[in-house]
Amino acid sequence: GENVEQHPSTLSVQEGDSAVIKCTYSDSASNYFPWYKQELGKRPQLIIDIRSNVGEKKDQRIAVTLNKTAKHFSLHITETQPEDSAVYFCAASNAGRRALTFGSGTRLQVQP
Amino acid sequence: GAGVSQTPSNKVTEKGKYVELRCDPISGHTALYWYRQSLGQGPEFLIYFQGTGAADDSGLPNDRFFAVRPEGSVSTLKIQRTERGDSAVYLCASSPTLKGEQYFGPGTRLTVT
Repeated sequence: GENVEQHPSTLSVQEGDSAVIKCTYSDSASNYFPWYKQELGKRPQLIIDIRSNVGEKKDQRIAVTLNKTAKHFSLHITETQPEDSAVYFCAASNAGRRALTFGSGTRLQVQP
Repeated sequence: GAGVSQTPSNKVTEKGKYVELRCDPISGHTALYWYRQSLGQGPEFLIYFQGTGAADDSGLPNDRFFAVRPEGSVSTLKIQRTERGDSAVYLCASSPTLKGEQYFGPGTRLTVT
């Protein structure tokens, strides 16, 4: 089955700096890659996603890139703000198995 | 509109007891998923419904776990003979289509004492 690895497990940045979180996946059939933000005690919130027919997608301060050949994808947050502090999860799924396989999460802390 | 809702928000039960967890998906969403999240980890898939039928139950850990969605909307996750290892947050997600994004509910925190 699919295996998703996520790095780093923790990330601390200064307000205004950029943050990058990286994930790799094992199943070449995977074609959908969402990113979720989860604040303490809250539900996972979908912040951006990308499908395998595109290499990059951007939404304001966040962007996701996908390298299908290398089977990795990354989340980029620019101009970080304290409210970006949360745990971020990457995930992958494919047309044959709709269930999401999640990475282990990255705890992002933005220092004011 | 209203998001995915789950009840109860917290459930404390004794080892060996039976529990039911409820999920109300976003209106009109045909796909419904159950996940389990342990502390410090990402959600792990349990079961997925498309309409009333379980399309994939490969994530259920054993036969103590069962889920239903009799009318294609509300779903109930049922756990028999609970064990302390079942303690976790149980998350429900719904999706408008087979290829759609999954939107999560707030979860039910289950504690087995």
